[in-house]
Amino acid sequence: SAVISQKPSRDICQRGTSLTIQCQVDSQVTMMFWYRQQPGQSLTLIATANQGSEATYESGFVIDKFPISRPNLTFSTLTVSNMSPEDSSIYLCSTDRGLAGNEQFFGPGTRLTVL
Amino acid sequence: GENVEQHPSTLSVQEGDSAVIKCTYSDSASNYFPWYKQELGKRPQLIIDIRSNVGEKKDQRIAVTLNKTAKHFSLHITETQPEDSAVYFCAATLDTGRRALTFGSGTRLQVQP
Repeated sequence: SAVISQKPSRDICQRGTSLTIQCQVDSQVTMMFWYRQQPGQSLTLIATANQGSEATYESGFVIDKFPISRPNLTFSTLTVSNMSPEDSSIYLCSTDRGLAGNEQFFGPGTRLTVL
Repeated sequence: GENVEQHPSTLSVQEGDSAVIKCTYSDSASNYFPWYKQELGKRPQLIIDIRSNVGEKKDQRIAVTLNKTAKHFSLHITETQPEDSAVYFCAATLDTGRRALTFGSGTRLQVQP
């Protein structure tokens, strides 16, 4: 399985500020995915990040609110901009390494609380 | 796009009993169906998956069945143990192109000792 780390593991932020979450994979991967998990809810895809191209956002998520960077094949960042309490969630990155079968592995998540 | 529905939302069983969780999907092109277990405060962990070219897959006490015609798949846990207590998520995707997972709403399984 892929080894995926995220920083920070948790943060408490004031409304109106921004937070950048980092995701590091232990080997080169084509696709990285960012998901949001609101309290007690399922996982919802925010966007897919491919190296060398713009991220692809899902309906309901926009680049101005959730800018994503993918500078190389092992790293990605997600920024949560101009935060409000509704952004309080766990944010998880994942990758499938492009393996046959596409087993997808998740980072440990970033627990964000917005006051 | 894909839509995945999952039932039940909560399930309580006695230790040693079996548990069954069911999911339906909407996109007939989907061909990869994983199941994840998420313990409190932890990341989702892949426990079993199935591809559309097989109807059933088993791994010790866990099995998954797939009915492509009806577009539904199920997770079966036999001889449940208290450590099976967690939230279980089904998901679906097409393993080429987009490859992102669409998740079901989750099932909270409680195994009573």
